[in-house]
Amino acid sequence: QQQVKQSPQSLIVQKGGISIINCAYENTAFDYFPWYQQFPGKGPALLIAIRPDVSEKKEGRFTISFNKSAKQFSLHIMDSQPGDSATYFCAASIGSSNYKLTFGKGTLLTVNP
Amino acid sequence: DAGVIQSPRHEVTEMGQEVTLRCKPISGHNSLFWYRQTMMRGLELLIYFNNNVPIDDSGMPEDRFSAKMPNASFSTLKIQPSEPRDSAVYFCASTPQENTEAFFGQGTRLTVV
Repeated sequence: QQQVKQSPQSLIVQKGGISIINCAYENTAFDYFPWYQQFPGKGPALLIAIRPDVSEKKEGRFTISFNKSAKQFSLHIMDSQPGDSATYFCAASIGSSNYKLTFGKGTLLTVNP
Repeated sequence: DAGVIQSPRHEVTEMGQEVTLRCKPISGHNSLFWYRQTMMRGLELLIYFNNNVPIDDSGMPEDRFSAKMPNASFSTLKIQPSEPRDSAVYFCASTPQENTEAFFGQGTRLTVV
């Protein structure tokens, strides 16, 4: 059973555009929601994370929006750049523990110049 | 800091052979994780060590898989005997303490033919 569903599987955006990736979860006990960025041949790296006590968190061009009642959260990349081209994973865990993360299947983002 | 170091980067082996993957965590980190990444299942946690002690191995798929951490600077993941369905990218990650950001290595791409 997949506990974190991520969409879309792939996304193509023009430079300067907004990239939006969505995730939905089922387990209401989840209370830590990070996003990871992975470049080809590299391991995932933490990009930004949110806890359910806030509805939005922004770091530079990256914003997480969180909707607790809908059990959904999304990543917005403003002014998308070719260097943002990577695979993005959402994840969730219980008890603010990042060791037992449940990952989404990933979204391959391509930003065209 | 060199980051998490994994070896080998690529491994091709024949079905039935023993495979050993190696990981050197970041110095000073006391939590270590082994993950497996496939297209079908995404990123899955296999095992988690804290202070060299296995805390959670519920993700280890079957008895053919074993992991050890003999000291704070070295861990191994062994598959014996290997099967084609074990083909995946295996990541090692470490954190300085529990509930903090995990730093991933570059992964080992395993192909079992």
